[in-house]
Amino acid sequence: GAGVSQSPSNKVTEKGKDVELRCDPISGHTALYWYRQSLGQGLEFLIYFQGNSAPDKSGLPSDRFSAERTGGSVSTLTIQRTQQEDSAVYLCASSITTGGTEAFFGQGTRLTVV
Amino acid sequence: GENVEQHPSTLSVQEGDSAVIKCTYSDSASNYFPWYKQELGKRPQLIIDIRSNVGEKKDQRIAVTLNKTAKHFSLHITETQPEDSAVYFCAAIVDTGRRALTFGSGTRLQVQP
Repeated sequence: GAGVSQSPSNKVTEKGKDVELRCDPISGHTALYWYRQSLGQGLEFLIYFQGNSAPDKSGLPSDRFSAERTGGSVSTLTIQRTQQEDSAVYLCASSITTGGTEAFFGQGTRLTVV
Repeated sequence: GENVEQHPSTLSVQEGDSAVIKCTYSDSASNYFPWYKQELGKRPQLIIDIRSNVGEKKDQRIAVTLNKTAKHFSLHITETQPEDSAVYFCAAIVDTGRRALTFGSGTRLQVQP
């Protein structure tokens, strides 16, 4: 595809349920990032994958959050036992390599926990 | 780790005026500084970036300046237009490090026609 693709676009879930959010990065991009954006707020770093290296998980807010990237391409962000404070837009981005190159964002997944 | 502070949080200007948004960063090793624009309900998109080996970069009505000594950088938009209305985010990163971009908290710019 031409850009970073995320699915679903919107997700409404009940408190306590698990959710999986998917990100398809731009083909050939080795770096993949997950950010969280609460309503009217900035971009909160969650996790970062670079090639085959161990991911940087330093931004994950709790052990209910996890992510994996299979085959160096598609990534899945999983939130277990969702809480209302998890409601936010989850943005995925990819860049051709680490650090100082343009990061392209997906359109985001709007998660609402009711 | 890196910490990026951005201000103001909101900025309202008249069409045709200039707008300036400022950011400071904490990690003196940071050497790549992009600016992203996010229109309402849309994804952030890169509008301009600068590396630490230059002090200023310009692209039509948009310019970014960098002061490495003071560890701050600024976005300048001249001759503002209503379509410039959006939220702008600055970011910083050490481009040789295995790190993700650290973003500022954003500035909501409103250009009044």
